[in-house]
Amino acid sequence: AQTVTQSQPEMSVQEAETVTLSCTYDTSESDYYLFWYKQPPSRQMILVIRQEAYKQQNATENRFSVNFQKAAKSFSLKISDSQLGDAAMYFCAYRRAMEYGNKLVFGAGTILRVKS
Amino acid sequence: DTGVSQDPRHKITKRGQNVTFRCDPISEHNRLYWYRQTLGQGPEFLTYFQNEAQLEKSRLLSDRFSAERPKGSFSTLEIQRTEQGDSAMYLCASSTDRDENEKLFFGSGTQLSVL
Repeated sequence: AQTVTQSQPEMSVQEAETVTLSCTYDTSESDYYLFWYKQPPSRQMILVIRQEAYKQQNATENRFSVNFQKAAKSFSLKISDSQLGDAAMYFCAYRRAMEYGNKLVFGAGTILRVKS
Repeated sequence: DTGVSQDPRHKITKRGQNVTFRCDPISEHNRLYWYRQTLGQGPEFLTYFQNEAQLEKSRLLSDRFSAERPKGSFSTLEIQRTEQGDSAMYLCASSTDRDENEKLFFGSGTQLSVL
């Protein structure tokens, strides 16, 4: 079974600074998708960024970028120019590519605090 | 479109009681998912529907749990004879298989507390 591990229960960053959240995963599959979701106090999960395993290029969405290391099974999220609105719980998630349905396997999450 | 709606937002019940939650997906979405999130953990997949058909159930979904999506629109999740271990947030999400990336849209969840 696939597992996702987030080893940092909590991280802090100063406003306007950069922070990196770590994620590792375990799978025997060669084709899959990886995601970072944000869950603010409103509780609604919001997709931050998506990476396809067969693409070597790291995904980028504005201030958010990933460092995808397939051989190491590592998928970290970098948030640049951190803003107060970035404060939330962040979840790393995995999904098999050759599977019917969008069933995600989530990590335990990292709480991100942004200091002003 | 108002997104995925879940009702109620909070539910407090006594052990042994039955509870039912409702999820209204985004109107054009044909897939609907239920996840459960316990305190300090990430969401765990419970079940999903393609239109009105329930295509997969997780082993986490005991016999006390039943989900329906009678007309392929809204869905209900019922828990019978609730136990304290059922206390969690129940998240609903929807998507369309016409989207190549099949992006999931989540609701704000129903927080269940079993006393």
